[in-house]
Amino acid sequence: GESVGLHLPTLSVQEGDNSIINCAYSNSASDYFIWYKQESGKGPQFIIDIRSNMDKRQGQRVTVLLNKTVKHLSLQIAATQPGDSAVYFCAEESNDYKLSFGAGTTVTVRA
Amino acid sequence: DAGVTQSPTHLIKTRGQQVTLRCSPKSGHDTVSWYQQALGQGPQFIFQYYEEEERQRGNFPDRFSGHQFPNYSSELNVNALLLGDSALYLCASSSGTSGTDEQFFGPGTRLTVL
Repeated sequence: GESVGLHLPTLSVQEGDNSIINCAYSNSASDYFIWYKQESGKGPQFIIDIRSNMDKRQGQRVTVLLNKTVKHLSLQIAATQPGDSAVYFCAEESNDYKLSFGAGTTVTVRA
Repeated sequence: DAGVTQSPTHLIKTRGQQVTLRCSPKSGHDTVSWYQQALGQGPQFIFQYYEEEERQRGNFPDRFSGHQFPNYSSELNVNALLLGDSALYLCASSSGTSGTDEQFFGPGTRLTVL
């Protein structure tokens, strides 16, 4: 079946460096994509979203890139901080209201 | 402004029992979705409620049922619990009829089935 997945299950990054988290999706009908951050013992927290009519969207220290040609989504975090350590999920939504999540990437920030 | 709240935070049941989990959406939201998150995995969509009706359902058996009340709060019921039902159950709320608005998640209910 169609699903959303992340390329790497773990990512270790030095504090202050930039982080890039990748995600591949297979449902060409998806028109809305979201990145979530989940800290231990908490529910997923919205980071940034992007619709299929856009290629790039920027937020505070984060940028999401969407490449519809190869069905690839990425999250870039600038100047990674210890508080950025968490599991990051990409999710896709089509017009059937369901959010489909990948398995997640665990980001660990080294001091 | 209260966000999404869920109760209880933790729950322990035995196989065969039934459980009810509760969710109050973020103020102003009228749509509630439920997800199951097994350890080490991403959340899996169970179903979504809008206007007190189930609008969409994921690949979960009929043992999983729900309800939405006039105040938009929601319950998730699971009958005949199995060991494999042990997971974090997340509730997310959103607003609007498009279904593509941002979903806000609650902290979840950790269910353990022994």
